[in-house]
Amino acid sequence: EPEVTQTPSHQVTQMGQEVILRCVPISNHLYFYWYRQILGQKVEFLVSFYNNEISEKSEIFDDQFSVERPDGSNFTLKIRSTKLEDSAMYFCASRKLAGASTDTQYFGPGTRLTVL
Amino acid sequence: TQLLEQSPQFLSIQEGENLTVYCNSSSVFSSLQWYRQEPGEGPVLLVTVVTGGEVKKLKRLTFQFGDARKDSSLHITAAQPGDTGLYLCAGARGSWGKLQFGAGTQVVVTP
Repeated sequence: EPEVTQTPSHQVTQMGQEVILRCVPISNHLYFYWYRQILGQKVEFLVSFYNNEISEKSEIFDDQFSVERPDGSNFTLKIRSTKLEDSAMYFCASRKLAGASTDTQYFGPGTRLTVL
Repeated sequence: TQLLEQSPQFLSIQEGENLTVYCNSSSVFSSLQWYRQEPGEGPVLLVTVVTGGEVKKLKRLTFQFGDARKDSSLHITAAQPGDTGLYLCAGARGSWGKLQFGAGTQVVVTP
């Protein structure tokens, strides 16, 4: 069964460094998302992406964050200058089509980002 | 920000017992998804409910979407230790379908 994959599984970085988290969504899906989950807290929406542009973003997704679909398969989240509070699990998700009946989002296994 | 409240936060039961987890909001959702999440892993989809009043069954798990599409429940019949895990509900809203998650219900089933 097709699944969303994410790399790396764990990324450790120094505060102020740039990180790129990578995702390969399910191949015939058109909508892509990033969520994050700080330890012990709820899963939070960051951004949605469709047709090569951001369709919606949350307050968390400030100028330090960017997303890109550099080719036909990868979807990346970049954090330009990491802060301690960026430490979290980051989940990529994808969805096939529009419409309530196809709202289902499938999640990747996550990347644990640790900022020191 | 509209909240999606899950209750209870924690549920510990014996094998063979039944349990129900609730997910409530003041907002209407276009659909509601239930996931199960293991520690350090991503949410794994259990079911999506779309129509008000809809009931879906997945083996011993029964999911219901409220008539007004604001609430949902997950009922597990004859729970087994393998049902132990964190159950999350997530409501989809808006044109782009972003998900709003509940805080989760940790279920522990002891033999």
